[in-house]
Amino acid sequence: EVQLVQSGAEVKKPGESLKISCKGSENSFTGYWIAWVRQMPGKGLEWMGIIYPGDSDTRYSPSFRGQVTISADMSITTTYLQWSSLKASDTAIYYCARHRSGRIKQQYLFYYMDVWGKGTTVTVSS
Amino acid sequence: QSALTQPASVSGSPGQSITISCTGTSSDVGGYNYVSWYQQHPGKAPRLMIYDVSNRPSGVSNRFSGSKSGNTASLTISGLQAEDEADYYCGSYTSSSTLYVFGSGTKVTVL
Repeated sequence: EVQLVQSGAEVKKPGESLKISCKGSENSFTGYWIAWVRQMPGKGLEWMGIIYPGDSDTRYSPSFRGQVTISADMSITTTYLQWSSLKASDTAIYYCARHRSGRIKQQYLFYYMDVWGKGTTVTVSS
Repeated sequence: QSALTQPASVSGSPGQSITISCTGTSSDVGGYNYVSWYQQHPGKAPRLMIYDVSNRPSGVSNRFSGSKSGNTASLTISGLQAEDEADYYCGSYTSSSTLYVFGSGTKVTVL
């Protein structure tokens, strides 16, 4: 079965670090890009960035560059989203998703997300 | 990069058809046929409903259809059912540095 399994809910204090994970089945991972999407309480979806686990090629949306780090360990078909110093405004649900893509003249185009994890709720509060 | 523009809410009675619009620019919706639509029920992860403007993934009801004209894409739900009540988001590839952008989201209410 094609699936992405995310790590459990986290409650942290401002200033703490955190790394959440997204483990894919072999057929949901190999040859695909994996994206991270944020949903703040009561708000819409925000595309944060994306990684190709095969070679760890990573791209960030400008709004999130420098705020989070996306990484991957292909040997265990897992991608990660991490923060070095959490803020209260990082409180949200974070989804990972398999992103279908294509390539035109050395440029990657990211089309749509067809497999989603169930989400990890991160709460940052003093 | 601003989110694509969607109406905040759309409603309809069971059996009716409704259409949700998604307006972008020539850098995203208007420039590429890579518009997708996602359904999200409360407390659940998003689900892909339409990809590449008008294609339905396996398992999605044919009551859902997509189209595009210029910088505006549309999702139509025909034969509205109670289970269609959810939030809907459009998404698109963008040639800007953002790479991918979501719409602002539309809450569909079945009256």
